[in-house]
Amino acid sequence: AQKITQTQPGMFVQEKEAVTLDCTYDTSDQSYGLFWYKQPSSGEMIFLIYQGSYDEQNATEGRYSLNFQKARKSANLVISASQLGDSAMYFCAMRVSIYNQGGKLIFGQGTELSVKP
Amino acid sequence: DAMVIQNPRYQVTQFGKPVTLSCSQTLNHNVMYWYQQKSSQAPKLLFHYYDKDFNNEADTPDNFQSRRPNTSFCFLDIRSPGLGDAAMYLCATSELAGVTETQYFGPGTRLLVL
Repeated sequence: AQKITQTQPGMFVQEKEAVTLDCTYDTSDQSYGLFWYKQPSSGEMIFLIYQGSYDEQNATEGRYSLNFQKARKSANLVISASQLGDSAMYFCAMRVSIYNQGGKLIFGQGTELSVKP
Repeated sequence: DAMVIQNPRYQVTQFGKPVTLSCSQTLNHNVMYWYQQKSSQAPKLLFHYYDKDFNNEADTPDNFQSRRPNTSFCFLDIRSPGLGDAAMYLCATSELAGVTETQYFGPGTRLLVL
């Protein structure tokens, strides 16, 4: 069965420093997609970055990068130059196909990131 | 800007009183999802529509129903809310695209059951 594990319930980082949020996954599929979402206290889930299982390069989107290690089944999110506005809950997720009619996201339990001034 | 809109943002209902949450999208995506997120938990899929085809998760209670009258709108009906149904309800949309399919979420509706 597909599963996402985030082992860090909470993290602190100093403003302007980099931080890595851990994510490991389990799947028997050869082709899969991994996602990171940010959820501020307002509740909206904001898409940050995507990594495909066949992508040879690690994904990057501005200050966000994904450290993808396929053999280890890990997809860690790296946020460079942290800002106060980065304080939020971060979810790692994997897409599971549903009969070619869409795909549900399986989420990890999340990591609460707090950026200190 | 293309977006996913949810109304209302906050909904208070009474135990057992039916309630409807709405979601609309301007992205023209063919898939719409409803997730339930209880406090301090990860979101969990309730059901989704691919065009007009409805797909229910096996463990979604019968108390939850959904309607999608057209591409832009999708509704979540809770027929007899219980205290355990208090949660954030998130609507998401996507364009069917295999493993690269990215879901875009609305701001959510926080439901409180008294």
